[in-house]
Amino acid sequence: EVQLVESGGGLVKPGGSLRLSCEASGFTFSNAWMTWVRQAPGKGLEWVGRIKRETDGGTTDYGAPVKGRFTISRDDSKNTLYLQMNSLKTEDTAVYYCAKDMYHYDSSAYEVWGQGTLVTVSS
Amino acid sequence: QSVLTQPPSVSAAPGQKVTISCSGSSSNIGNNYVSWYQQFPGTAPKLLIYDNNKRPSGIPDRFSGSKSGTSAALGITGLQTGDEADYYCGTWDSSLNAGVFGGGTKVTVL
Repeated sequence: EVQLVESGGGLVKPGGSLRLSCEASGFTFSNAWMTWVRQAPGKGLEWVGRIKRETDGGTTDYGAPVKGRFTISRDDSKNTLYLQMNSLKTEDTAVYYCAKDMYHYDSSAYEVWGQGTLVTVSS
Repeated sequence: QSVLTQPPSVSAAPGQKVTISCSGSSSNIGNNYVSWYQQFPGTAPKLLIYDNNKRPSGIPDRFSGSKSGTSAALGITGLQTGDEADYYCGTWDSSLNAGVFGGGTKVTVL
């Protein structure tokens, strides 16, 4: 069964840091492009960023609100995706989902989603 | 303010059809594939349509997708109470070099 399980969410103060993890199973993780999407309480989906597979350079792209503060990385030996979040702001409060891209091109759909992990930024 | 524009809500009676629009520009919908997602409260989104009009296995053919120019649409026929959910369109924006979503549309079955 293809599965993504996020962890690492919690309460953090503004200006603080947090690292989210997303453990993958049921597919060849090293061959996948992976994406982070977030959803603030009562709001819509917001694209956070993505990382390509190593054979495509392993490069990352980020949405404007998080660029320079968030970093996406992957450990293919552990089948795990990461989201390092620094300089957190109250507006970063959201449920964070990791997702598997269906194909290896920019407008690929997200075919598998994790259950999400809640990040709350508050003093 | 989302890059892609969707109506906040649509509604119809059971058995009827609804169409959800998703409007963008040449930098996103106009030159990229569109996908659609269904989300029930408190759960993760689920892929309904990819590459404009293709359905993953297990998605009923009551759900259909289309694209014309810089707009896309999701159609749901034979509306059921179990279809009450939020629906999002998504694509890539080549100018932003980022993924983008619509603001979401709540479907209500009257």
